Amino acid sequence: NAGVTQTPKFQVLKTGQSMTLQCAQDMNHEYMSWYRQDPGMGLRLIHYSVGAGITDQGEVPNGYNVSRSTTEDFPLRLLSAAPSQTSVYFCASSLWTGGTDTQYFGPGTRLTVL
Amino acid sequence: TQLLEQSPQFLSIQEGENLTVYCNSSSVFSSLQWYRQEPGEGPVLLVTVVTGGEVKKLKRLTFQFGDARKDSSLHITAAQPGDTGLYLCAGAHYGGATNKLIFGTGTLLAVQP
Repeated sequence: NAGVTQTPKFQVLKTGQSMTLQCAQDMNHEYMSWYRQDPGMGLRLIHYSVGAGITDQGEVPNGYNVSRSTTEDFPLRLLSAAPSQTSVYFCASSLWTGGTDTQYFGPGTRLTVL
Repeated sequence: TQLLEQSPQFLSIQEGENLTVYCNSSSVFSSLQWYRQEPGEGPVLLVTVVTGGEVKKLKRLTFQFGDARKDSSLHITAAQPGDTGLYLCAGAHYGGATNKLIFGTGTLLAVQP
């Protein structure tokens, strides 16, 4: 049981490049989400999904795209990377959407945009 | 807009001291969670509180949810170096059907041996 996995662990991009951050979970969780973590800002929600084929925007969605074709996978796409997107990105999953369930987080992807 | 403010932002104490971390908001939350994050890892859930005034204890950690469900506190008794980490509160909005957790700004705790 691997839990939530994220790849890559580290990434350096140039301004304007695009890339996809991968996230997968093997717990059959319906709810998955992407957060970014910046110093002094806690975690901010980018996009989330309540099941395959269903996604919605969080607090800071601009510059990011998501899709959910399977229960297991929830990739995050950066369309045209900007220095403001330098951050640590975390993927999380939980069983339900009621707000009381445990969010299981991946180990994070550390992204630097030059 | 940051809806959950945590204080203090940084805390450095000696082993054996007590401390309290606060999580405050102007919004009402249907539930509130506390997570701890260690360097290079994702946050890990410590506790969930759902009822106004609720108090939960986890060994030396005591969590309280405010009566109005707008604030919470985390009290650590006799802190140990193993308590070092970033503590994050996270609130779910009242009546929300989806799990849109709003995270606090975080409190970085360092316990010196």
